[in-house]
Amino acid sequence: QSVLTQPPSASGTPGQRVTISCSGSSSSIGTNTVKWYQHLPGTAPKLLIYNNNQRPSGVPDRFSGSKSGTSASLAINGLQSEDEADYYCATWHDSLNAPVFGGGTKLTVL
Amino acid sequence: QVQLQESGPGLVRPSETLSLTCTVSGGSISGYYLSWIRQPPGKGLEWIGYIHYSGRTHYNPSLKSRVTISVDTSRNQFSLELTSVTAADTAIYYCARSPSWAVIEIDYWGQGTLVTVSS
Repeated sequence: QSVLTQPPSASGTPGQRVTISCSGSSSSIGTNTVKWYQHLPGTAPKLLIYNNNQRPSGVPDRFSGSKSGTSASLAINGLQSEDEADYYCATWHDSLNAPVFGGGTKLTVL
Repeated sequence: QVQLQESGPGLVRPSETLSLTCTVSGGSISGYYLSWIRQPPGKGLEWIGYIHYSGRTHYNPSLKSRVTISVDTSRNQFSLELTSVTAADTAIYYCARSPSWAVIEIDYWGQGTLVTVSS
């Protein structure tokens, strides 16, 4: 069981807005920045969001991140079929003194 | 273009040692954190540990007693050893590179290599 809790699945139709949550604690998200990764099957994961809400160059502005207290969220606007993937949040955990991932959310584009 | 490539046996027998090497091309490993991350079948990502190019290591507490990560800057490579493996260690193993200011902010990943633990 992951120390960062994500819903196992999410879905939406093309053009919709979808949000994926990531719940942590005061030892993790509460005091550290959150990253989000997109993982398409058979490929290497890709950094989507860093420092809670910053996009690396090349990541479409349809993707956005936010953080409040001990939770974070990834929002995808204008959902596209190629967004179908697994999404993971990640942060540092002070008590474990280690990086941790969420359990992952499988996004299906209907 | 920076590329990372994992190499090593795809099959390891129970109780033996899993050994993998990551070769970094197109860029230096100096100044970076170098990580091993795995994904068991049907499960999420798990951080195994990381090494700073200077040699300082940090391991997942749940695996710490069995893990060793080392670096060879002359060959631009770093390696993973996981001892006393069981079927639970069957996974896709990824190597990854991240900048010195944020180990979690991975900019380059390997494609991953499947390691199966079976007799």
